[in-house]
Amino acid sequence: NAGVTQTPKFQVLKTGQSMTLQCAQDMNHEYMSWYRQDPGMGLRLIHYSVGAGITDQGEVPNGYNVSRSTTEDFPLRLLSAAPSQTSVYFCASSSSTGQGYSVYEQYFGPGTRLTVT
Amino acid sequence: AQKVTQAQTEISVVEKEDVTLDCVYETRDTTYYLFWYKQPPSGELVFLIRRNSFDEQNEISGRYSWNFQKSTSSFNFTITASQVVDSAVYFCALSEAWSGGSNYKLTFGKGTLLTVNP
Repeated sequence: NAGVTQTPKFQVLKTGQSMTLQCAQDMNHEYMSWYRQDPGMGLRLIHYSVGAGITDQGEVPNGYNVSRSTTEDFPLRLLSAAPSQTSVYFCASSSSTGQGYSVYEQYFGPGTRLTVT
Repeated sequence: AQKVTQAQTEISVVEKEDVTLDCVYETRDTTYYLFWYKQPPSGELVFLIRRNSFDEQNEISGRYSWNFQKSTSSFNFTITASQVVDSAVYFCALSEAWSGGSNYKLTFGKGTLLTVNP
């Protein structure tokens, strides 16, 4: 099991460029999510997905798009990069029993460090 | 809205000291989950513990222990006989569980940087 993988590990973009951060998991987890980590801010939820074809916004969704066509993959798209999007991005996944009121731990990828100049 | 407060931004101790990391949470839900994660200098996030709101028993795992008190909305983390390898940022997180099925939106505290000096 590779767990949660993210590519690339590092990326430098110029303002206005677009790119896609890749995330994949091989644990057959239903839930996947994207967080960004900024100094002194902890991790903040960008978007999440409860299954293939279903996505929703988190706390800081502006400037990002997601889609979930398969259980394994959950890419994050930056439409027009801005310096405020300089951050470390983490993808995470979690399983579900399918029963109510159960929330399981999330497994995180190694992160992508993005710099926008 | 849910909120997690880790009032200690940085803590520095000498090896073998005991140290407690505080976590206070706010939620309107009666069913929720609390988590602790460790982020060592290498940057990955490592899951440490998960606790649901119906289970107030304290937990011990080796040198780590957790004290969950609903009366004070706190979920504190204690490291006994700290070691240099414990140096990391520690995050407390909260997830509410909605009726009708599983749901999670993890809300993280801002983290506590623990430095254990030899």
